[in-house]
Amino acid sequence: RKEVEQDPGPFNVPEGATVAFNCTYSNSASQSFFWYRQDCRKEPKLLMSVYSSGNEDGRFTAQLNRASQYISLLIRDSKLSDSATYLCVVKGQGAQKLVFGQGTRLTINP
Amino acid sequence: NAGVTQTPKFQVLKTGQSMTLQCAQDMNHEYMSWYRQDPGMGLRLIHYSVGAGITDQGEVPNGYNVSRSTTEDFPLRLLSAAPSQTSVYFCASTESASGEDTQYFGPGTRLTVL
Repeated sequence: RKEVEQDPGPFNVPEGATVAFNCTYSNSASQSFFWYRQDCRKEPKLLMSVYSSGNEDGRFTAQLNRASQYISLLIRDSKLSDSATYLCVVKGQGAQKLVFGQGTRLTINP
Repeated sequence: NAGVTQTPKFQVLKTGQSMTLQCAQDMNHEYMSWYRQDPGMGLRLIHYSVGAGITDQGEVPNGYNVSRSTTEDFPLRLLSAAPSQTSVYFCASTESASGEDTQYFGPGTRLTVL
């Protein structure tokens, strides 16, 4: 079983729709969680960290469910510019390494 | 600040050739790392360094060497290139040695081994 798993998609949704992705992780000792965004043929960039209480940044909401070991990303009122691959990233307690999921590809259609 | 820079952007090698992928950062970050990204596999950690003179292996270190003689530079050496090393390589840096802060990635090197 992969340490971090994501549905690779692709997700194709119309502009203005709400879309959500989940990511599961296998290491229950994981302490830090992130969502990165990667545009086609570009480097990944941090979208947001994920906190235990859940957090929101504009149209983006991230949540963590430790009991079920998954994190989620919700995008409301999606824009064409949201088209990208979204990478789930997990860091274990005391570890110095991040573990990346394979990414979920999202395409927003006009 | 230029951030994280990588050279070259593209490279084609023949099997058995060696080469060095360059990575530099000007943010005085302690933590640097190398990843490879393959379709359907996500980013996999090759090697990382928590400071000058300290390196350690990641998930897929075989066939690669690294060194960290300065804070700024973290080159990745392919000893004898193989077709299985065809991939996109990203270098990243983070401010703290824990690796927990935002990772800043370079633009990547696209390597093809024939």
